[in-house]
Amino acid sequence: EAQVTQNPRYLITVTGKKLTVTCSQNMNHEYMSWYRQDPGLGLRQIYYSMNVEVTDKGDVPEGYKVSRKEKRNFPLILESPSPNQTSLYFCASSSLRTSGIGDTQYFGPGTRLTVL
Amino acid sequence: SQQGEEDPQALSIQEGENATMNCSYKTSINNLQWYRQNSGRGLVHLILIRSNEREKHSGRLRVTLDTSKKSSSLLITASRAADTASYFCATGVDFYTGANSKLTFGKGITLSVRP
Repeated sequence: EAQVTQNPRYLITVTGKKLTVTCSQNMNHEYMSWYRQDPGLGLRQIYYSMNVEVTDKGDVPEGYKVSRKEKRNFPLILESPSPNQTSLYFCASSSLRTSGIGDTQYFGPGTRLTVL
Repeated sequence: SQQGEEDPQALSIQEGENATMNCSYKTSINNLQWYRQNSGRGLVHLILIRSNEREKHSGRLRVTLDTSKKSSSLLITASRAADTASYFCATGVDFYTGANSKLTFGKGITLSVRP
């Protein structure tokens, strides 16, 4: 089954304790992206990746890191989490092969992060 | 930066009625997409319309795009209680221009369909 998986689904942590949220897709998609969703603000893009070893900042990259060492995985790293990073996080992937134009994105189930 | 802005922010209708949701955007786009999100879950793609298309249908969904007005509408006909969800429009640009290679989402519309 074609899917995007994220782990963990729920995480409560404390300020300053490094954490990683994993994202994996099995559709051989070139493009992957991380979003955060906050009430009243909608979805905002954190980072995206066009392919292996190619990443770029989205609208709200501060406090986050990503890496794309393999095509299927795109982990989101919070080196020193702070309470303002409490949010619902989504990973998404998309194919660039068909048109090169922003195509359908497939979303993971979300990770609800609470930073105390 | 937020590109798409949906209107209204919230919509409540009776089952069987049609639901119309609007989206406006500011800059040129290559395509516009509509997504649905059930509470706390991931977004699910509903329909994509390209900038050279004016109308598209998928089941009970009808999407229109007016590039001169920079606006789109999503119509759900014969709504059902199961259509209750948040709906987002997202504007897409050409990945290969090197500029703005992303899909930008609006803040969403909350649709409630009363049984």
